[in-house]
Parts: sequence; C-alpha cells; structure tokens
Amino acid sequence: ILNVEQSPQSLHVQEGDSTNFTCSFPSSNFYALHWYRWETAKSPEALFVMTLNGDEKKKGRISATLNTKEGYSYLYIKGSQPEDSATYLCAFIHDMRFGAGTRLTVKP
Amino acid sequence: DSGVTQTPKHLITATGQRVTLRCSPRSGDLSVYWYQQSLDQGLQFLIQYYNGEERAKGNILERFSAQQFPDLHSELNLSSLELGDSALYFCASSVHPGSTDTQYFGPGTRLTVL
Repeated sequence: ILNVEQSPQSLHVQEGDSTNFTCSFPSSNFYALHWYRWETAKSPEALFVMTLNGDEKKKGRISATLNTKEGYSYLYIKGSQPEDSATYLCAFIHDMRFGAGTRLTVKP
Repeated sequence: DSGVTQTPKHLITATGQRVTLRCSPRSGDLSVYWYQQSLDQGLQFLIQYYNGEERAKGNILERFSAQQFPDLHSELNLSSLELGDSALYFCASSVHPGSTDTQYFGPGTRLTVL
C-alpha cells in the first residue's frame, strides 16, 4: 500500500448497530495518524491522534485502535446514532496524505 | 466552533477574475494550512505556512498563491479563475506543524466561478 486507503467507501447501518471501518497505510516509517469526522455542510473535526503501535483512544461511543506493524487503524462506533452520520477521514499530517474517507449513514 | 475564522463564507465571481480568501487561525496557532474540496472530491492539500514562512506545498496551481502575515492571518489568492476552480476552500491551523499536532478547520469559503 503506497497511500492511505479507507474501506469501505460507504456504509449504511441502522440506529443502534455497532460498526467499524479501516484505514490502511504503508507500515514503514510510521508517523502519527489522525482521524477526523466530517459532517455534511460542516468542516472536518479532529477525533483522535494515534501515535504508538497498540494505541487505543476513546471518545464517548467512538474508539480507535492502531497497528503500525501491519499498517492499519480501525475506527469503531458503538450503538450508532443518526448524528454519527458523517464521513470519517484518516490522514498523515506530516506529509499531508488523506484517505478518501468512509461515508457513514445511520438510519433511524 | 473551532476558533478558526474564514471570510467570506461565499464568493461568486466570473472566469478570469481574481479573488482573495482570508483565514484567521486560532489564538496561539502558528501554522496555517489551505485545502480545496471540489465537487465529489476529497480534501486536497494546497499549501502550509508556519510562523510566516512557507513550509510545504501540495497540489497548488501556479495561478494560486498564499501568504501568512506577521499577525499570523493568511490569505489565499486565486487568479485567472476557471470554472474548475469552483470549490470549497478550507483553512486549518495548528500550534506547530508537527506530525502529532491537531489541525482545527475553519468553516470554509465556498467559491463559485461562473
């Protein structure tokens, strides 16, 4: 993997479902990975900065893990709510590589 | 509210014209970033400034230029505008340009070129 890849591109879940999606990146020369939430018609909002292999961060119902050796980070949302509907971006700020995002839609 | 302000919110202009977008970073932030989001595209990094100096350049066209002033506000100048320049332009700021520094995004300026 040369670039930052996110999967799936989009995801539709029902309210109350838990969900997760992936950010994949080259495992060599890791720097900090940033996760953002980007709601429609708003601007990206920082969620987490992941720095160390094995990092696990949590903010309310949203959490993220990091595996730098295998080159991926997972974002989990527990008990999805309609207000979680957004595009979730991962990025390496040191060289400005952004993933294309996972667009999450939570249906009431 | 991230503390980053951008003006104007909306801008409508004609092809061939020149516009200036303005960004004021959060208080205490020294680094400013400019991004472009075209229709159905992701965030494209344009340029970064740190304490008045250009630090990194992305996919910024030669018709575009930017600067960061001593009071740390930044301006993005877009000239000889084309229809394809219509986009949402975001400014973000961070304390320092380090890899772990959180970027805070402004509300964006929507540019429409007719």
